[in-house]
Amino acid sequence: GENVEQHPSTLSVQEGDSAVIKCTYSDSASNYFPWYKQELGKRPQLIIDIRSNVGEKKDQRIAVTLNKTAKHFSLHITETQPEDSAVYFCAASGDNAGNMLTFGGGTRLMVKP
Amino acid sequence: DTEVTQTPKHLVMGMTNKKSLKCEQHMGHRAMYWYKQKAKKPPELMFVYSYEKLSINESVPSRFSPECPNSSLLNLHLHALQPEDSALYLCASSQGRGSSYNSPLHFGNGTRLTVT
Repeated sequence: GENVEQHPSTLSVQEGDSAVIKCTYSDSASNYFPWYKQELGKRPQLIIDIRSNVGEKKDQRIAVTLNKTAKHFSLHITETQPEDSAVYFCAASGDNAGNMLTFGGGTRLMVKP
Repeated sequence: DTEVTQTPKHLVMGMTNKKSLKCEQHMGHRAMYWYKQKAKKPPELMFVYSYEKLSINESVPSRFSPECPNSSLLNLHLHALQPEDSALYLCASSQGRGSSYNSPLHFGNGTRLTVT
């Protein structure tokens, strides 16, 4: 089955700096890669997703890049703000896994004011 | 303001109790999910209902029993749980599942379950 590894497990940045979280996946048939943000005590919320037919997607301060050859994808947050502090989960899914999401282990992002 | 509503928000139950978790969505989604999340871990898939039929059971112990009365409702019946079952139980929904279609999961706020 699919295996998704996520790094780093914790990330601390100064407000205004950029943050990058990286994920690798094992199943070359995976074709959908969402990112979820989970604030303390709250539900995971989709912040951005990318499908395998594109290499990059942006939404204001957030961007995701996908390298299908290397089987990795990354989340980029620019001009970080304290409210970006949360746990971020990457995930992957594809036909081989019945379209079920396999989550990475999560990254705790702390943005220091 | 979440589109997937879960009740109760918190639940404390003894190991001999029977309780149920409830989930409701009115987005017209045809797939509904139960996930279990332990502290500092990603959500773990338990069950998937697709068009009101159980399509995936991820080897979950029989003390957890899902039910999908209709396309908007999903229940999780709990009986004879163990302390290690204490966790956040998340319900989610998505537009559907198909061989070449992936749609985002919409999570509810979860039920924080404590088994004593």
